[in-house]
Amino acid sequence: GENVEQHPSTLSVQEGDSAVIKCTYSDSASNYFPWYKQELGKRPQLIIDIRSNVGEKKDQRIAVTLNKTAKHFSLHITETQPEDSAVYFCAAPSWSTGFQKLVFGTGTRLLVSP
Amino acid sequence: DAGVTQSPTHLIKTRGQQVTLRCSPKSGHDTVSWYQQALGQGPQFIFQYYEEEERQRGNFPDRFSGHQFPNYSSELNVNALLLGDSALYLCASSFDPGTPFYEQYFGPGTRLTVT
Repeated sequence: GENVEQHPSTLSVQEGDSAVIKCTYSDSASNYFPWYKQELGKRPQLIIDIRSNVGEKKDQRIAVTLNKTAKHFSLHITETQPEDSAVYFCAAPSWSTGFQKLVFGTGTRLLVSP
Repeated sequence: DAGVTQSPTHLIKTRGQQVTLRCSPKSGHDTVSWYQQALGQGPQFIFQYYEEEERQRGNFPDRFSGHQFPNYSSELNVNALLLGDSALYLCASSFDPGTPFYEQYFGPGTRLTVT
């Protein structure tokens, strides 16, 4: 089955700095890689995703890069703000019996200090 | 356009009891997946429903069962509750047009506490 590893588990940065979170996956058939942001006590929210046919996708201050050969993908947040503080999860699909399910990483707690 | 909704928000049960959690998917979505999120961990896949059938299941015992209704809403049932079942239960909905790509949107979750 799919295994998704995520690093680091915690990340502390100063406001305005960049933050990078990395994930690796094991299933070479994986073709969709979402990132979720979860604030304390709230639901995970999809913030960006990337398909396997592109190497990078940007949306304002956030970007995701994908290296299919190395089986890893990363979330980049530039010009971090205190409201970026949250737990971030990566995920990758695992195929089984013709259907896919999302397997999540263990999460990265990002703390942005003013 | 209503997003994914879940009820109840919070629930306290005693060991051995049974619980039913409910989920209504986002408008236009036909697939519902259930996840268990223990404190400090990522969501763990329980099972997925499509066309009123369970089509994939994670590593959870048979005490966990579900149902999907013709209007695509879904229920998660847990029997013989254990202390370890205490967690945030998340429902996620998506649309399955038969392509390999899909986006899942989560509901607010139900916080279950077993005492």
